[in-house]
Amino acid sequence: QKEVEQNSGPLSVPEGAIASLNCTYSDRGSQSFFWYRQYSGKSPELIMSIYSNGDKEDGRFTAQLNKASQYVSLLIRDSQPSDSATYLCAVRKGATNKLIFGTGTLLAVQP
Amino acid sequence: GAGVSQSPRYKVAKRGQDVALRCDPISGHVSLFWYQQALGQGPEFLTYFQNEAQLDKSGLPSDRFFAERPEGSVSTLKIQRTQQEDSAVYLCASSLGSDPGGYTFGSGTRLTVV
Repeated sequence: QKEVEQNSGPLSVPEGAIASLNCTYSDRGSQSFFWYRQYSGKSPELIMSIYSNGDKEDGRFTAQLNKASQYVSLLIRDSQPSDSATYLCAVRKGATNKLIFGTGTLLAVQP
Repeated sequence: GAGVSQSPRYKVAKRGQDVALRCDPISGHVSLFWYQQALGQGPEFLTYFQNEAQLDKSGLPSDRFFAERPEGSVSTLKIQRTQQEDSAVYLCASSLGSDPGGYTFGSGTRLTVV
């Protein structure tokens, strides 16, 4: 079992719809969770961090965390073609400073 | 500079050649991380520095990989006797403190071993 798992996609949604990206992790002791966006040929860019159960909203983005289910998700409202990218889920490993990344989900927003 | 700077952007190496990849972090950033990203995969942790101290090198895949940050700013990742499986994008990230949530990644070095 991979430490951080994501569906590789592609996830295709029409413009204006809600895109829902999901991630599960195996280390029950994990405390810090991150979503990065990576455009093709570019480096990852941090878009959200979440540390406690529940929802965290930032503009069109909402991160959701459920530690009991070891599940973290990212919702993108009013999806735009410019949101088309690979979304990487990352989990801080224990008390270390390393992040464990999933393989990423490719999101395609259709105009 | 304004961001994390990596050089070269692209490197083609013949198998067996040694390479050196440079990372210039954001000024004042204490923490520096190296990651390896293979095609279609997420980044994988290689090593972590706090100032000049290499606190974690558990991700370095073999003793052919070596990283240093002698003055606590610029870092170099060296790969000796490159192999085809070393082909990947090498990403450097820095953060002001030790919380990796504050990562700013550089644009990476794409290494191709032929």
